[in-house]
Amino acid sequence: EDQVTQSPEALRLQEGESSSLNCSYTVSGLRGLFWYRQDPGKGPEFLFTLYSAGEEKEKERLKATLTKKESFLHITAPKPEDSATYLCAVQPGSSNTGKLIFGQGTTLQVKP
Amino acid sequence: EAGVAQSPRYKIIEKRQSVAFWCNPISGHATLYWYQQILGQGPKLLIQFQNNGVVDDSQLPKDRFSAERLKGVDSTLKIQPAKLEDSAVYLCASSPAGEISQETQYFGPGTRLLVL
Repeated sequence: EDQVTQSPEALRLQEGESSSLNCSYTVSGLRGLFWYRQDPGKGPEFLFTLYSAGEEKEKERLKATLTKKESFLHITAPKPEDSATYLCAVQPGSSNTGKLIFGQGTTLQVKP
Repeated sequence: EAGVAQSPRYKIIEKRQSVAFWCNPISGHATLYWYQQILGQGPKLLIQFQNNGVVDDSQLPKDRFSAERLKGVDSTLKIQPAKLEDSAVYLCASSPAGEISQETQYFGPGTRLLVL
């Protein structure tokens, strides 16, 4: 069964304290792995797509990496405005639709 | 470019009542998705449309949920009758036409449903 697990469930950081969020996945083939950011009361906002092991993408203080079993979202010198829930999702290779399977998310709080 | 629009933003109903949600995707996007997000969980796909045809509705509780996408643009999702466990955020997303797999999905703000 296709499955996505994110850890930790919650993370508190001081401003400037770098850390990483983990997304472990079990899927029959991988078409793509997606990272989204979700603020309270809003819909998920697209951040990155990764397609193959070894791929990396960066955006401001965020960097996403991908291996054959997991993805990491590295946050360098975070600011309070980076506080949000970060969602990881995979598109199984077994499906020819655009179906995304989401993890439960990691809620990040950055304190000034 | 306008994003995905959804209405209403909030809805409170009593169990056994019916409710409908509306979604207008990004202009020109052929694929439309409805997801259910229960508090503390990630979104779960309910139904996917390609233009006005259903591509995947395997996780839609068809005894109470229905959805349509007339003319391949706007879509409505209906729940009848609602149960307490239907309390959730209902998210609509859309993606461009073309290769469905690997396409980025863009989400609307969601409709927050509370069933009492």
